[in-house]
Amino acid sequence: GAGVSQSPSNKVTEKGKDVELRCDPISGHTALYWYRQSLGQGLEFLIYFQGNSAPDKSGLPSDRFSAERTGGSVSTLTIQRTQQEDSAVYLCASSQTSGVYNEQFFGPGTRLTVL
Amino acid sequence: AQSVTQLGSHVSVSEGALVLLRCNYSSSVPPYLFWYVQYPNQGLQLLLKYTSAATLVKGINGFEAEFKKSETSFHLTKPSAHMSDAAEYFCAVSYGSGNTGKLIFGQGTTLQVKP
Repeated sequence: GAGVSQSPSNKVTEKGKDVELRCDPISGHTALYWYRQSLGQGLEFLIYFQGNSAPDKSGLPSDRFSAERTGGSVSTLTIQRTQQEDSAVYLCASSQTSGVYNEQFFGPGTRLTVL
Repeated sequence: AQSVTQLGSHVSVSEGALVLLRCNYSSSVPPYLFWYVQYPNQGLQLLLKYTSAATLVKGINGFEAEFKKSETSFHLTKPSAHMSDAAEYFCAVSYGSGNTGKLIFGQGTTLQVKP
């Protein structure tokens, strides 16, 4: 497809379980961002990847959250020992390169529900 | 620290009426400002962006926004609302030169358009 895709679209899990969320960016885009959209906190930046540079992890809320980007393309966001407050929509975005001049294209998101 | 405030979590207008969605920013450096729209069950879509060129920015679907430094505002307007404009709108800010492009979002404003 031409856009950013994310899977699964919905994920329901039990408290304490680990989950993995996947993002496929637009082909050729070197910058990839993860954001979280929740009722209490709005839209928050989580982590950013640019090419082979070290990721900017400054937005990750706790050490239970981690992300990797393999081969400069697909990214996986992992949440360990999920808590109810992790329930949110997790959005991925990509852009041709980093910086404000490059539009970020967003995927449809993964809705995570922690019971 | 940079922040964005959207005044009014819900705005309701009649079809054909003026749309005005308010956004104020707090920034110690020249900001880069964005408006995104999110239709139900869809990802975020860029409406327009201000990156220090013209202060009046025109975007898609007839929307425009004016950057007013003296008021630290970047309000979004549309002369005549359509039913299809019903969605959630987010104002966002990014850091200045050399930045990663990561976005700080406002809390969002839901626009309702009444027939």
